[in-house]
Amino acid sequence: RKEVEQDPGPFNVPEGATVAFNCTYSNSASQSFFWYRQDCRKEPKLLMSVYSSGNEDGRFTAQLNRASQYISLLIRDSKLSDSATYLCVVTPYTGGFKTIFGAGTRLFVKA
Amino acid sequence: EAGVVQSPRYKIIEKKQPVAFWCNPISGHNTLYWYRQNLGQGPELLIRYENEEAVDDSQLPKDRFSAERLKGVDSTLKIQPAELGDSAVYLCASSPERGAFSAGNTIYFGEGSWLTVV
Repeated sequence: RKEVEQDPGPFNVPEGATVAFNCTYSNSASQSFFWYRQDCRKEPKLLMSVYSSGNEDGRFTAQLNRASQYISLLIRDSKLSDSATYLCVVTPYTGGFKTIFGAGTRLFVKA
Repeated sequence: EAGVVQSPRYKIIEKKQPVAFWCNPISGHNTLYWYRQNLGQGPELLIRYENEEAVDDSQLPKDRFSAERLKGVDSTLKIQPAELGDSAVYLCASSPERGAFSAGNTIYFGEGSWLTVV
């Protein structure tokens, strides 16, 4: 089992739709969680951190479920510009902090 | 403020040849990372520096890969000799704080060096 798993997609949604991605992690001692966005042939950029209480930034909502060991990203009112790959990032503590990226979930938003 | 700068942007080499990538992190960022990203995969950490010290190089294939950050600022990643399987994007990143991906500690990536080994 991979340490961080994501559905690769692609998710094809119309503009205005709500779409959600999940990311599961295997190490229960994981400390920090993030969502990064990566556009085609570009570098990853931080989208948002994921806090235990959940957090929202405009149309984006991130949730953490420690009991089931997954994090989620919800995008409301999808825009064409949301088309990208969304990378889940987990930092487990294994005697030294290591950052582990998921393989990403591809999203296509269509007009 | 200038971001993370990497060069070259693209490189095509024949197998068994050497190649080097250079990275200049954001000014003042003590932590520097080298990642490798294969097509359809997420970035995988190769090495992490805190200033000039390599604090995590467990994922660096040391038989052919080497890295240095002599003055704690810019860094070079070298592959010698390159193999076909080394074709990937090599991403350099930096962050202002030490250690973990702690909440709020943003990591900034460069645009990457795209390597094709033929």
